[in-house]
Amino acid sequence: EDKVVQSPLSLVVHEGDTVTLNCSYEVTNFRSLLWYKQEKKAPTFLFMLTSSGIEKKSGRLSSILDKKELFSILNITATQTGDSAVYLCAVTTGANNLFFGTGTRLTVIP
Amino acid sequence: KAGVTQTPRYLIKTRGQQVTLSCSPISGHRSVSWYQQTPGQGLQFLFEYFSETQRNKGNFPGRFSGRQFSNSRSEMNVSTLELGDSALYLCASMVGPSSGANVLTFGAGSRLTVL
Repeated sequence: EDKVVQSPLSLVVHEGDTVTLNCSYEVTNFRSLLWYKQEKKAPTFLFMLTSSGIEKKSGRLSSILDKKELFSILNITATQTGDSAVYLCAVTTGANNLFFGTGTRLTVIP
Repeated sequence: KAGVTQTPRYLIKTRGQQVTLSCSPISGHRSVSWYQQTPGQGLQFLFEYFSETQRNKGNFPGRFSGRQFSNSRSEMNVSTLELGDSALYLCASMVGPSSGANVLTFGAGSRLTVL
């Protein structure tokens, strides 16, 4: 059974902290892994990863994929209250399916 | 360029009723997917449409159905509503069929509450 598991389910940090969100997967014929940020309603795209070991970076956010160990991490440095959101990980497969994890709820306290 | 538009944004129904939700994709996007989001289950895939044809379907009962029109707009229908159908229903569009190279753009969702 294809599945995507995110951890932790939730975490609370203080502004300025660095956080690491985890996403592990077990799917048939992996194609890509996607990270989304969901603040209120519509998830917004952050990164797409297809190759192992190549870090994607956007400002204080970065992500990397390990296709051997079947996981990805999303790092956020110097967190701000605006980073508070649910972070979703999704995996696409060769069968053109897209599987989402349940998300990690991040709360950044001033 | 307008984003993905979903209507209505909020609605309240009672058990046994049926509901129709609408989604207008980004102009030029021909693939539309629907997801159900609940706190416990996260985002669950409902179905995907491309060129008015259902290409993929998730593990939901037959009460959940959808369709796509020639202008790529899509509707989903839930009949005989149950309390457990209360959720945020998200629509997402992309240029073409699901692939590793395409990225979904989500709408703001329709929040359904079943009483």
